Amino acid sequence: DTAVSQTPKYLVTQMGNDKSIKCEQNLGHDTMYWYKQDSKKFLKIMFSYNNKELIINETVPNRFSPKSPDKAHLNLHINSLELGDSAVYFCASSLEELAGGSHEQYFGPGTRLTVT
Amino acid sequence: QQPVQSPQAVILREGEDAVINCSSSKALYSVHWYRQKHGEAPVFLMILLKGGEQKGHDKISASFNEKKQQSSLYLTASQLSYSGTYFCGTERRNTGFQKLVFGTGTRLLVSP
Repeated sequence: DTAVSQTPKYLVTQMGNDKSIKCEQNLGHDTMYWYKQDSKKFLKIMFSYNNKELIINETVPNRFSPKSPDKAHLNLHINSLELGDSAVYFCASSLEELAGGSHEQYFGPGTRLTVT
Repeated sequence: QQPVQSPQAVILREGEDAVINCSSSKALYSVHWYRQKHGEAPVFLMILLKGGEQKGHDKISASFNEKKQQSSLYLTASQLSYSGTYFCGTERRNTGFQKLVFGTGTRLLVSP
């Protein structure tokens, strides 16, 4: 069974279009993340949800809107796509330990978005 | 602020050792290490926490100098499967929730 899955794996679209990426985890984790990895392989966090609530919202254009219908799913909707949005988008999940400690993150296979 | 990794790239022959360093200018709560192979997702290797606790794979070792905000990943007797890009992820835990800031990456190539 795949622990963290994403769909689609590849997405090619034109500027100005709206697209969505879906993520699901079957690990029973509390927290899910969206990362963007650009062409220089720089991996940067965009959003994080804990039990369906948004807890991290980095400086990301308003065109990006995450949504978590339940704690096993986290989707990313992107409006009015721009050339600079081309990247690989990774979903990840982890347990959350508020009392101390830190937990590994499990990454999905990634969605390669190409905007033409 | 993004942690800095060194070296940027390293080439090894199978069986050789390597050290990858990660340095932050901020006080850290934990350091994570991940390896990413070409076209794949990052995979967890190790967590080092402030106070000395560590979690990770038996064959990987790492250190965390809390005073200097530096961590090092030690790859010994390298195997072909060690090839990939290594990222450190640093955590400050200001808010009570985990937020990793990933480093610049170190590309490792192990040749036969």
